[in-house]
Amino acid sequence: EEQLVESGGGLVQPGGSLRLSCSASGFTFSTYAMHWVRQAPGKGLEYVSTTSANGGATYYAESVKGTFTISRDNSKKTLYLQMSSLRAEDTAVYYCVKAHHSNWYYFDYWGQGTLVTVSS
Amino acid sequence: QSVLTQPPSVSAAPGQRVTISCSGSSSNIGNNYVCWYQQLPGTAPKLLIYENTKRPSGIPDRFSGSKSGTSATLGITGLQTGDEAEYYCGTWDSSLSAGVFGGGTKLTVL
Repeated sequence: EEQLVESGGGLVQPGGSLRLSCSASGFTFSTYAMHWVRQAPGKGLEYVSTTSANGGATYYAESVKGTFTISRDNSKKTLYLQMSSLRAEDTAVYYCVKAHHSNWYYFDYWGQGTLVTVSS
Repeated sequence: QSVLTQPPSVSAAPGQRVTISCSGSSSNIGNNYVCWYQQLPGTAPKLLIYENTKRPSGIPDRFSGSKSGTSATLGITGLQTGDEAEYYCGTWDSSLSAGVFGGGTKLTVL
């Protein structure tokens, strides 16, 4: 059974940094693109970032370009999101998402999410 | 402001049919496949439709998707109270080189 477990969320001050992790199991992690999608409280889904299966290609939403970095360690079956220069607008539940086997930009399986709160 | 445009809400009675529209442009829906996601209250989203029309295993055939030009539509027949959820369309935007979502549509089954 596929499973994605996010961790690393919490309260951080504006301007601070945080690293999210997503531990994967139940599928061959190294063969799938992976994504981060966030959802601010009471708001809709917002795309954040994508990494290809081997980590060689990465994509970012304009809103996080230059401040967030996606990476993966296929030997540890873990996806990461390094977030810096955090602002209140980055407050959201961050979901780790596995791509579909048919196409890398289909968001197939979602973790339960980890809440990041940016506040002083 | 979302790149893809959805109605904020739709409603219908149990057993009826409802459609949810999703409008975009040539850089997203017009040249890429569309997916639909269902988010039940308090849960993570779930893939409902991929590649415009296909259903993942376990998704009942009451759910259907279609695409024409720069718009896509999700259809739900035989509405049940358990279908009450937020529905999102999503695709890739080739100009932005980023994923994009609609703002979400809240379905109420009266």
